Amino acid sequence: KNEVEQSPQNLTAQEGEFITINCSYSVGISALHWLQQHPGGGIVSLFMLSSGKKKHGRLIATINIQEKHSSLHITASHPRDSAVYICAVRSVNSWGKLQFGAGTQVVVTP
Amino acid sequence: DAGVIQSPRHEVTEMGQEVTLRCKPISGHDYLFWYRQTMMRGLELLIYFNNNVPIDDSGMPEDRFSAKMPNASFSTLKIQPSEPRDSAVYFCASSLRQGENNEQFFGPGTRLTVL
Repeated sequence: KNEVEQSPQNLTAQEGEFITINCSYSVGISALHWLQQHPGGGIVSLFMLSSGKKKHGRLIATINIQEKHSSLHITASHPRDSAVYICAVRSVNSWGKLQFGAGTQVVVTP
Repeated sequence: DAGVIQSPRHEVTEMGQEVTLRCKPISGHDYLFWYRQTMMRGLELLIYFNNNVPIDDSGMPEDRFSAKMPNASFSTLKIQPSEPRDSAVYFCASSLRQGENNEQFFGPGTRLTVL
């Protein structure tokens, strides 16, 4: 069983809709990352969280350490948000070691 | 800065051949990571370095894989001999550990196909 679980696996939304992606993990972590992988394959780091909430433009990431759960929200979604969103947790025992979720494929239609 | 640079971007080789992937991290970054991405297993950490020293290589699949970082601006991942199951996209990433702000910056990846 993967120690980092994402849901849903796939998501299709219409432009303008609010999108939520969830990430649950079962190990002790020091931080959680949200990554975006574009259709061309490039990977970009969106957020790194150890507590609370972060916002960047239309993206909001939250984390609940007690519940071992994080969410990534996209407000007013746009076709350019179409990508795979990957959750990754950093082990509390090994600073550099990230464990990845399987990713959520998001498609936003015009 | 040009970001993390990887070469080649695409590599097609035959089973049994040696493959060398190259990475230039962002200048000043003290951590370098090698990842592999496949459809079946997603993203996996292979090895990471801190100040050119390998810290954790537990993700390296087997002895056919080796990684080096001879200096702060260059790292290689070598597969010898290569096998079809090594076909994947290999990403290099670098990071600067500075307090709690330590985002990883990914290179564009090398798509390896072993026939």
